[in-house]
Amino acid sequence: DTGVSQNPRHKITKRGQNVTFRCDPISEHNRLYWYRQTLGQGPEFLTYFQNEAQLEKSRLLSDRFSAERPKGSFSTLEIQRTEQGDSAMYLCASSFLTGGTNEKLFFGSGTQLSVL
Amino acid sequence: QKEVEQNSGPLSVPEGAIASLNCTYSDRGSQSFFWYRQYSGKSPELIMSIYSNGDKEDGRFTAQLNKASQYVSLLIRDSQPSDSATYLCAVKLYEGGKLIFGQGTELSVKP
Repeated sequence: DTGVSQNPRHKITKRGQNVTFRCDPISEHNRLYWYRQTLGQGPEFLTYFQNEAQLEKSRLLSDRFSAERPKGSFSTLEIQRTEQGDSAMYLCASSFLTGGTNEKLFFGSGTQLSVL
Repeated sequence: QKEVEQNSGPLSVPEGAIASLNCTYSDRGSQSFFWYRQYSGKSPELIMSIYSNGDKEDGRFTAQLNKASQYVSLLIRDSQPSDSATYLCAVKLYEGGKLIFGQGTELSVKP
């Protein structure tokens, strides 16, 4: 399977615990995005990378959230001291941007986080 | 004001009708516009992109862009029950910038 892979598919955790999600983008894709989506809402931008550089992090995102993309390959999203409000689907998407404004994102199946 | 706004719906149309989905955006300098479709329980997938004022057609889908009014729409002709999904409008503010999504419009096509 050469699509975007996310692990785990589901994560149940207790409030206050730390969690880490992994995303493996399509190979050769230089861009990687993290979004969060709750029921009935569109994907909410969290952060994105071009190669290994983190270009932007949402101002709405607290310091409990951190993301990395070492060597410009896979990425991890860590949430520290989880809260019930963090419960959501966390989506990863990748793209190959050569320049210009045309950019097609390919999404993974997501990680569903439930904080009890 | 949200950067990208859509009516959440649900929008219900009979099979064979034209479905019209609308989106407005706040940043006048936005460069490019996308429509993604998301089936229930699945991830979004790209169906259309548009960059210039006017219409762009792809099969049964037509995207329309009016930058002066900061408005983009998606028309689905001959709607089918398989078109029932949530349609997400996405906007790229500038070349190389991030992609911002609206809240999505749920479309239901009734047989």
